[in-house]
Amino acid sequence: DARVTQTPRDKVTEMGQEVTMRCQPILGHNTVFWYRQTMMQGLELLAYFRNRAPLDDSGMPKDRFSAEMPDATLATLKIQPSEPRDSAVYFCASGTDRDRGTDTQYFGPGTRLTVL
Amino acid sequence: GENVEQHPSTLSVQEGDSAVIKCTYSDSASNYFPWYKQELGKGPQLIIDIRSNVGEKKDQRIAVTLNKTAKHFSLHITETQPEDSAVYFCAASIRRRGGGADGLTFGKGTHLIIQP
Repeated sequence: DARVTQTPRDKVTEMGQEVTMRCQPILGHNTVFWYRQTMMQGLELLAYFRNRAPLDDSGMPKDRFSAEMPDATLATLKIQPSEPRDSAVYFCASGTDRDRGTDTQYFGPGTRLTVL
Repeated sequence: GENVEQHPSTLSVQEGDSAVIKCTYSDSASNYFPWYKQELGKGPQLIIDIRSNVGEKKDQRIAVTLNKTAKHFSLHITETQPEDSAVYFCAASIRRRGGGADGLTFGKGTHLIIQP
């Protein structure tokens, strides 16, 4: 069945290193969301795209985070340089605005990031 | 921006009993309210959602009610089973005309424990 895929599933890195997380949305979906989950803050929206255009990235620290959609089948979230406070699980979700009957966001399995 | 409060943070019920989780939201423009279930190590999975033109929606053992005037919505699970044990999140968003919802604002989650 159709699923959102995310790679890597786990990433351990050292402070200052660049981290790139990838997401493949469900085929045919035109909206991609990035969320971050931590114990303290819960699930937070970082950014989202529709038809590959960024619609809202107000939840993202602009100085070190960047999100892109190189094509309709790939979304990336980069952190450069990474810091220990970036340790979290990062979720990608996809959806579509082409079906007026649904607004469901389908979540991927997440990337667990640990910055030492 | 939107703020979603969720209670309780932990709920323990006997198998077969009912469970109720409550959420309030702050932005009167919000019109889409999904509920997600998250199991350990997995991404959130939609279990039911409701739009602001509907007061109640039911799907087998799960129901959601919405009070727009009071800005609160609730999840009801009847005849609870061990597999219902998980963390449940409520969320709010704005669904645009023509389809497609904005990013979700989540509550902090409720850890539901089903006692055998």
